[in-house]
Amino acid sequence: GENVEQHPSTLSVQEGDSAVIKCTYSDSASNYFPWYKQELGKGPQLIIDIRSNVGEKKDQRIAVTLNKTAKHFSLHITETQPEDSAVYFCAAYQDSGYALNFGKGTSLLVTP
Amino acid sequence: GAVVSQHPSRVICKSGTSVKIECRSLDFQATTMFWYRQFPKQSLMLMATSNEGSKATYEQGVEKDKFLINHASLTLSTLTVTSAHPEDSSFYICSAPTQTGSETQYFGPGTRLLVL
Repeated sequence: GENVEQHPSTLSVQEGDSAVIKCTYSDSASNYFPWYKQELGKGPQLIIDIRSNVGEKKDQRIAVTLNKTAKHFSLHITETQPEDSAVYFCAAYQDSGYALNFGKGTSLLVTP
Repeated sequence: GAVVSQHPSRVICKSGTSVKIECRSLDFQATTMFWYRQFPKQSLMLMATSNEGSKATYEQGVEKDKFLINHASLTLSTLTVTSAHPEDSSFYICSAPTQTGSETQYFGPGTRLLVL
């Protein structure tokens, strides 16, 4: 099955700086890569996703890049704000039953 | 985005009792829903795939007789934890794709289960 590796496990940045979280996947057939933000005690919230037919997607301060050859994708958050502090999960689409395989998560802390 | 709700948001029960958790898609129909379990400071682990009108598909290591899943309608899936034990205490989260065959999934707010 699909194996998704996520790094780093924790990330601390100062407000206004950029944050980058990286993920790699093992199944070359994967073609959909969402990113979720999870705040304490809440369910994951979809923040951005990318499909294999594009290399980059941007939504305001958030962007995701995908390198299918290398089988890795990254989340970029610019001009970070304290409210960006949360746990971020990457995932890869598993085509049997449309379930997602998640990375282990990155705890992002943005300090004022 | 699409809205998925869960009820209850948190539940405390005694060891040996059963607990039912509901997952509803509020503004769309979901022929498939997924149930995940998340332990503190860990990632989401898929437990089972709930299929409307047919049996659920369980992941390896998940006991189907302990975690009963019923997907009786296109907007409701239920997870019943039978004979709960303290080790079943966890955060249970459901998700649903907004369209049949779509990869895009939205998650419910989760249910915190504490078994005493």
